[in-house]
Amino acid sequence: DAKTTQPTSMDCAEGRAANLPCNHSTISGNEYVYWYRQIHSQGPQYIIHGLKNNETNEMASLIITEDRKSSTLILPHATLRDTAVYYCIVSPLMNYGGSQGNLIFGKGTKLSVKP
Amino acid sequence: NAGVTQTPKFRILKIGQSMTLQCTQDMNHNYMYWYRQDPGMGLKLIYYSVGAGITDKGEVPNGYNVSRSTTEDFPLRLELAAPSQTSVYFCASKAVYEQYFGPGTRLTVT
Repeated sequence: DAKTTQPTSMDCAEGRAANLPCNHSTISGNEYVYWYRQIHSQGPQYIIHGLKNNETNEMASLIITEDRKSSTLILPHATLRDTAVYYCIVSPLMNYGGSQGNLIFGKGTKLSVKP
Repeated sequence: NAGVTQTPKFRILKIGQSMTLQCTQDMNHNYMYWYRQDPGMGLKLIYYSVGAGITDKGEVPNGYNVSRSTTEDFPLRLELAAPSQTSVYFCASKAVYEQYFGPGTRLTVT
């Protein structure tokens, strides 16, 4: 079972920031927070990952709470093309403690960006 | 770089038939994965490989087999297809942190 909890769906107005929450209250110290998205029926696309510091790249920002029990993915200026299912996943890096760092996908959050 | 490629894109099988789903990556990644995705659900791991000659079972391996003779290729074999194997199949390879996914193979077993 997935070790994260996400809302089933969210709406966002085009041009506004989309803030997608994720709870991972049982996260271990060696586990990273990963975000992927899946547009329609395409293969999932990596967005960003973090361990305990906030991270930013060209696609999004990731805010992780100090206790690491929750995080928020921020798409700063959502466009219609950001409509997708967003998956929050916690997983250790490969080859750590016997784990291969495999990803366990839940059902994610269906983000609908509206004009 | 083509990334991760999968063939075929679509396939219809009759119950009891067999087939191989092909997956190739050109990024020289050691880690490769096979997932299936049923309608409205997240992806489930079938098999994975940490390098040529090394494979291991994931969450839902029954009814499938894999081999990894080269770094580039990671084929998935379905023996005696069943309707429960109707799904979309995704192959992926992994860099240090991120996984790169192929476009998927949509399989229907009737």
